[in-house]
Amino acid sequence: QVQLVQSGAEVKKPGASVKVSCKASGYTFTSYYMHWVRQAPGQGLEWMGIINPSGGSTSYAQKFQGRVTMTRDTSTNTVYMELSSLKSEDTAVYYCARDQRMDVWGQGTTITVSS
Amino acid sequence: EIVLTQSPATLSLSPGERATLSCRASQSVSSYLDWYQQKPGQAPRLLIYDASNRATGIPARFSGSGSGTDFTLTISSLEAEDFAIYYCHHRTNWPPTFTFGPGTKVDIK
Repeated sequence: QVQLVQSGAEVKKPGASVKVSCKASGYTFTSYYMHWVRQAPGQGLEWMGIINPSGGSTSYAQKFQGRVTMTRDTSTNTVYMELSSLKSEDTAVYYCARDQRMDVWGQGTTITVSS
Repeated sequence: EIVLTQSPATLSLSPGERATLSCRASQSVSSYLDWYQQKPGQAPRLLIYDASNRATGIPARFSGSGSGTDFTLTISSLEAEDFAIYYCHHRTNWPPTFTFGPGTKVDIK
């Protein structure tokens, strides 16, 4: 079955970087775009950006420009999201989601930024 | 920038009742409007795409309607597992832009 499995929770200090992985299975990896969406505690959903696993092209939300990098590894069917210069406000659950319609979601990765 | 507004913020209903959730866009989004359901501790789940198409495996009690700026998600008869938060979402293919509404919480009356 189609599945997205994300890496585990992390605790980071302010100013550090974090890299979250999302491994896809059950479908042709390069045929579907992948999004990253985050959700701060008790808040709504916030779109961060999108990557085309086929060619690696990306588009980021303006808010995260310069701080986020999305990459992919077609040999392992995995996409990555790296967020740098972390602040306490980046504490959130980070999700990957497949396709323009976000029809399949990963289980989420909790990132806690705390000194 | 398109802004999505959802109403009401909270909807308190009993099982078996009909739920009507609204999503309004600040400018026309044609039919590029999706609905997601999120339960506590879970990832969102796609319910409706392109305003009125049920996603795979979604029960028929969920329906979507609307176009342009005004959209509605209807749950014809609430079941216990339907109490959750519902988000509307707009996407544009170029430049890629994806916007979520603030959500409507459907809770048990």
